[in-house]
Parts: sequence; C-alpha cells; structure tokens
Amino acid sequence: AQKVTQAQTEISVVEKEDVTLDCVYETRDTTYYLFWYKQPPSGELVFLIRRNSFDEQNEISGRYSWNFQKSTSSFNFTITASQVVDSAVYFCALIPLMDSSYKLIFGSGTRLLVRP
Amino acid sequence: GAGVSQSPRYKVAKRGQDVALRCDPISGHVSLFWYQQALGQGPEFLTYFQNEAQLDKSGLPSDRFFAERPEGSVSTLKIQRTQQEDSAVYLCASSLFSTTSNQPQHFGDGTRLSIL
Repeated sequence: AQKVTQAQTEISVVEKEDVTLDCVYETRDTTYYLFWYKQPPSGELVFLIRRNSFDEQNEISGRYSWNFQKSTSSFNFTITASQVVDSAVYFCALIPLMDSSYKLIFGSGTRLLVRP
Repeated sequence: GAGVSQSPRYKVAKRGQDVALRCDPISGHVSLFWYQQALGQGPEFLTYFQNEAQLDKSGLPSDRFFAERPEGSVSTLKIQRTQQEDSAVYLCASSLFSTTSNQPQHFGDGTRLSIL
C-alpha cells in the first residue's frame, strides 16, 4: 500500500511555541520522495521541502526543520518559535519512484493554528 | 504570470449541468496534474499529462470526468452531468520536467466547485 498518515487533525499553539507535525508513510518501493506543502487560507499549496529516500540527513531552513527516519517511516516537521503567519494546513506527501506518473500521495493534513 | 493560474476561482452549477475548469501551467512546464480536494481532506490525484499526452487518468472518478491538454500547455478539466458529490476544490499543478519524482509540483489556487 502507498499511504501517508497525518494523525494530528488540528494543533493549536501560542505564538513563539515550538510545534512538531507528524507524518508516517507506507510504501513498498525502496526509492521514493517525500514532500511537505503548506496550504494557507488562500488555497494554494506551497512547496516547502523535498527529501529522497536515500538521504536521511535532517534539514533546517530558518525556523523550519525536518526529521526523516526510515526506521520508523516518519518524516516529521518542526516549526521553532511559531508565528501567527504559520497558521495554515500542512500536508505531507509521497511519490514512489516506481509510479511512472509521479503523482503526489497526500496525507489528510494537519491544521495549525498559532494564536497571538 | 509566474505561477499556475486557474479559472474560474469559484464555480456554482446546478446538478446535471456541465462545467469546464481551466489551468494555465507555468510556461515551459512539461508535466501537468489535476487533483481533487474534498473539504477537510488532502488532495487526491485525478490525471497526469506529459506535454499533450495524457499518461495516467486512473484517478478520474467516472466517465463523466474528462481532461485534455491539446497543445501541451493549457489544460481543461470537464465534468459532465455534475452531481453533488463533485463539489470540491480542483487543483492544478505543473512541474518542469517529465521525470518529476524529485521535482516539486507547483500548484494553482484551485477552482472551488459547488453543485447545488
């Protein structure tokens, strides 16, 4: 099965708190790509990061960081010192390399609300 | 413009009517995808084009759904004899290359379709 699970439906934090969004994936392929997208109220999906299955190195970009662990099939996303502008729905997604159409398989999303 | 453009932004139709949704991808992008996003859910794949060729239409929910990209640029998603369950946001995405497993897909703002 090819599947992405985001168990947290909604998270609410106060500004400046750190928050971690969980993502667990399932795939039968040994080579795949993982993505995170942000969907603000305007509706457009904004690309945040891409990782391939051979690169387990964690990545940091400003206040954002990602923890990829193949052993637990997880690709978690942490926002440090959250801000109100971070409020959005965040989607984790998977592309198995053997899928010739390269379609994104999305999780159901986590709605993040950052309160002032 | 620099991004993926979709029109109309909102569409209201009566059950049984036909609708057409338009997507202008980023100039030069080879791959084009359509996704359907139900309320509170992650986007789900509908169909994929590589230039003008529709290589995967496995996600189209019924034969009432039809997509085309005749000149390898603009794409139209058509829904015939609309039903209430067709109400959703329809997202279009484009990607630069044909082998897009590691290329980010860039999304438009979507068309919110409501069937009365």
